[in-house]
Amino acid sequence: QQQVKQSPQSLIVQKGGISIINCAYENTAFDYFPWYQQFPGKGPALLIAIRPDVSEKKEGRFTISFNKSAKQFSLHIMDSQPGDSATYFCAASISGSARQLTFGSGTQLTVLP
Amino acid sequence: DTGVSQDPRHKITKRGQNVTFRCDPISEHNRLYWYRQTLGQGPEFLTYFQNEAQLEKSRLLSNRFSAERPKGSFSTLEIQRTEQGDSAMYLCASSTAKGEQYFGPGTRLTVT
Repeated sequence: QQQVKQSPQSLIVQKGGISIINCAYENTAFDYFPWYQQFPGKGPALLIAIRPDVSEKKEGRFTISFNKSAKQFSLHIMDSQPGDSATYFCAASISGSARQLTFGSGTQLTVLP
Repeated sequence: DTGVSQDPRHKITKRGQNVTFRCDPISEHNRLYWYRQTLGQGPEFLTYFQNEAQLEKSRLLSNRFSAERPKGSFSTLEIQRTEQGDSAMYLCASSTAKGEQYFGPGTRLTVT
């Protein structure tokens, strides 16, 4: 059962543009939502995370928007750069448990120079 | 470098052989996780340790898989009688009780 659905599967953006990746979840017990960036041959690296008590969190060029009623959250990358080209994964977990992460299927982002 | 480390980075083995991977977490992290990632997919949870206790195992973890974390420090993941379907990237992550998980570089297993 896929509990976190991610779209699009791939995304091509021009340098300086905005990249938007969306995720939807099913389990209302999820209360922690991180985004990870992964380069080929490397492990995922934590980018930014949000908890459902806020609707938006911004760190530098990266912003998470969270809609609890719709059970959706999204990652916005402002002023996208070629160095941002990577695979991005959304994830979710439940506090008070083992906190294992349930990942989306990933979005391969390509930023053209 | 004080991040999560994994060894080996790559392992090629023949079907039916046993393999063992090692993970060294960030030193102050008491939680340790193993995930498996196949090509084009997100990581999938395998098992979780809090200190030396293995507290959770996924249904993905067949009885050919065993994991240990003696003394609550490094962890090992062993796969017995490997199958071609075991070919994947095996990722280790660690965290404090706060829950932010930091991943190692992974061990890529190829079963021929």
